[in-house]
Amino acid sequence: EDQVTQSPEALRLQEGESSSLNCSYTVSGLRGLFWYRQDPGKGPEFLFTLYSAGEEKEKERLKATLTKKESFLHITAPKPEDSATYLCAAHGAGSYQLTFGKGTKLSVIP
Amino acid sequence: EPEVTQTPSHQVTQMGQEVILRCVPISNHLYFYWYRQILGQKVEFLVSFYNNEISEKSEIFDDQFSVERPDGSNFTLKIRSTKLEDSAMYFCASSPGQGARQPQHFGDGTRLSIL
Repeated sequence: EDQVTQSPEALRLQEGESSSLNCSYTVSGLRGLFWYRQDPGKGPEFLFTLYSAGEEKEKERLKATLTKKESFLHITAPKPEDSATYLCAAHGAGSYQLTFGKGTKLSVIP
Repeated sequence: EPEVTQTPSHQVTQMGQEVILRCVPISNHLYFYWYRQILGQKVEFLVSFYNNEISEKSEIFDDQFSVERPDGSNFTLKIRSTKLEDSAMYFCASSPGQGARQPQHFGDGTRLSIL
């Protein structure tokens, strides 16, 4: 059974304090590893897809990386507007579904 | 930017009643999905739908659930006889194609409360 685990569950950062969120996965035949952002009362908003180990993607202050067992979402010099829950999801071979982790709730304090 | 829209945003229903959740996927997308998120838990896959057929469903998607594309724009999830444990946020998603290179885009969800 495919599994995705995210850590930490919650993270408080001061504005400008860089950090990383972790997503470890056990997926049969990974086809893609997705990062989504979810604001309170909203649906997941697509950020990145990573397809193979060693790949990196960047968007503004966010950079996602992928190894054979984990993905990291690095946040550089975060701002309060980066506060949200960040979800990691995996897409395995022969399946239509995304398997989600529980998410990391990020709070950036001014 | 095109988006997935869901109605209603909040639905309150008595246990045992039928409920229909509605979604308008992004217009040129061909694959449609329903997920749910019980408060404090993971987003869980329910069903995927393509070419007017269910292409995959999870163990959660039992005989009480059904999906339909009644016309060219709407995609619905019906729960025939609701239970207390059906209370959750239900998200609709769509993608232009199938596979990891076609990311799923989500609506803002319907909060379903069963009394």
